[in-house]
Amino acid sequence: LAKTTQPISMDSYEGQEVNITCSHNNIATNDYITWYQQFPSQGPRFIIQGYKTKVTNEVASLFIPADRKSSTLSLPRVSLSDTAVYYCLVGAGTGGFKTIFGAGTRLFVKA
Amino acid sequence: DTEVTQTPKHLVMGMTNKKSLKCEQHMGHRAMYWYKQKAKKPPELMFVYSYEKLSINESVPSRFSPECPNSSLLNLHLHALQPEDSALYLCASSPTGQEQETQYFGPGTRLLVL
Repeated sequence: LAKTTQPISMDSYEGQEVNITCSHNNIATNDYITWYQQFPSQGPRFIIQGYKTKVTNEVASLFIPADRKSSTLSLPRVSLSDTAVYYCLVGAGTGGFKTIFGAGTRLFVKA
Repeated sequence: DTEVTQTPKHLVMGMTNKKSLKCEQHMGHRAMYWYKQKAKKPPELMFVYSYEKLSINESVPSRFSPECPNSSLLNLHLHALQPEDSALYLCASSPTGQEQETQYFGPGTRLLVL
């Protein structure tokens, strides 16, 4: 299973764009990359999933370089309500039977 | 309905008590999961049910006993727990349980064992 490495924490201000990078050097050919968001005392919530290049939805964008050894979750114009933990999961760790969450990145958005 | 519900929201129990956590989804999903999450740690997978059959038990102590009465319901029976079992217990579901499938999580049950 591909191991992921993320920054432990990040701070930002309201209105800024936040980029959280995840390293996954041993990602397999068939692996997708998935990000979840978790607020305190709530369950994780799916944000976005991608395989290569760029994926965008109403919440975030996911940038994946050609070698796929890393990925960047981009949150445009964050607000206080985006303060949460963000988890990057790869491959068999993304869903199905053997979901494995990494340590996650704690994002704190300040006014 | 894209919601996973869990009851109770909070539970306090003694080490000799028997209690149950309940999870329900009406999305037609055929895979359901139990996770345990300690404070400031990521969720850890405990059990997976696929089509009402236990598919994965991640070496969980027998004082935790899962049950899947039907495709919409998932229970976690608790008996003789230890204080270190205090945590947030999360339930999740996904359409079929295949890899790389989005999981939908409930809000969790906050358990305190005294």
